[in-house]
Amino acid sequence: GQQVMQIPQYQHVQEGEDFTTYCNSSTTLSNIQWYKQRPGGHPVFLIQLVKSGEVKKQKRLTFQFGEAKKNSSLHITATQTTDVGTYFCAGKGTGTASKLTFGTGTRLQVTL
Amino acid sequence: DTEVTQTPKHLVMGMTNKKSLKCEQHMGHRAMYWYKQKAKKPPELMFVYSYEKLSINESVPSRFSPECPNSSLLNLHLHALQPEDSALYLCASSRGFGTSGYEQYFGPGTRLTVT
Repeated sequence: GQQVMQIPQYQHVQEGEDFTTYCNSSTTLSNIQWYKQRPGGHPVFLIQLVKSGEVKKQKRLTFQFGEAKKNSSLHITATQTTDVGTYFCAGKGTGTASKLTFGTGTRLQVTL
Repeated sequence: DTEVTQTPKHLVMGMTNKKSLKCEQHMGHRAMYWYKQKAKKPPELMFVYSYEKLSINESVPSRFSPECPNSSLLNLHLHALQPEDSALYLCASSRGFGTSGYEQYFGPGTRLTVT
């Protein structure tokens, strides 16, 4: 079945440093979504990317979808303590009834 | 209202008990989901309902029985669970389910402990 891997598993940064998480799917995706889960919380939708090579920005967050629609990345510029949490990509397969498969997640810790 | 509610927040049950988890949304969403999440792991899809019909069952053991009484409600009936079923059970909803991606709204989850 479809597998979605993320690296790194964990990253600890100082506030103000940049952070990037990478997402790789074993199969071509129709679209990819990103979610953030704060400690003790539930996943919250951040963004969806649909087109090959698409780049979207949300303030300090930049999301990219690879040309082959098999990988994606999330880059955070100048991290803040509010960015702490686990970031999951979630890829949707190309079939009509394809489910969303969550990536393994990257846990981000930010300290002052 | 962009909220998905789940009850109870916490549940402790024995292996011979029968209990139910409840999920509700009033966003007019036509797809609802059950996920299981173990600590430090991603959510794992269990079931998808689309227009109140079961669309996906991810080979979940029969001790988990989903029910969708109407478009706003989703239940998960639990019976004869095992300790390894202890996890956070998340409900989610989305506008639709199909080729196009739809953002999913998650509830706060039910923390289940099986003793």
